[in-house]
Amino acid sequence: DAGITQSPRHKVTETGTPVTLRCHQTENHRYMYWYRQDPGHGLRLIHYSYGVKDTDKGEVSDGYSVSRSKTEDFLLTLESATSSQTSVYFCAITERGGNYGYTFGSGTRLTVV
Amino acid sequence: AQSVSQHNHHVILSEAASLELGCNYSYGGTVNLFWYVQYPGQHLQLLLKYFSGDPLVKGIKGFEAEFIKSKFSFNLRKPSVQWSDTAEYFCAVRGNEKLTFGTGTRLTIIP
Repeated sequence: DAGITQSPRHKVTETGTPVTLRCHQTENHRYMYWYRQDPGHGLRLIHYSYGVKDTDKGEVSDGYSVSRSKTEDFLLTLESATSSQTSVYFCAITERGGNYGYTFGSGTRLTVV
Repeated sequence: AQSVSQHNHHVILSEAASLELGCNYSYGGTVNLFWYVQYPGQHLQLLLKYFSGDPLVKGIKGFEAEFIKSKFSFNLRKPSVQWSDTAEYFCAVRGNEKLTFGTGTRLTIIP
């Protein structure tokens, strides 16, 4: 969707290597989220951010870290990638309160070999 | 913590059939409810959302959903499906600014 981009779109990496995924928004939304999507599990929240340098864990945060040094960028880092982290990763943004929905990025397909 | 259950994992229908996908949620506070659709190889797109007011919500592409508070349900309906509705459908609940998804229902429409 317009206003949110993820990079890279596809990545293959080796077990044990660090990987960083980027989510960039142009909507100036306060809230940003990282989800992973796996068959049979739907989308599960990894980490989220409610402002610059304000982040919190989701339900599947082990093995992941995040950083948000400016409003528009939210980075997800796999410190040492494992095969269980092979997944499709989606970023989402929203603004607090009101009748706001969530806008999702196009996803990053990560394969750890 | 909130949670969402989608009991139908895979639904197969013929074109023009009526559709109802079940969604039950658990959350102690004021709920915001969503249905998203994901077409093959694409990202999630919002079908409809409920925040307050009329419990019957109309969305895009002829979909609607009914919020029944007493049953903690937010079922998705469409009176007549099309082949182009083949996709995966996700129900979600927002609580404490976090969006929690169900496991999804794969819908296959047979021409």
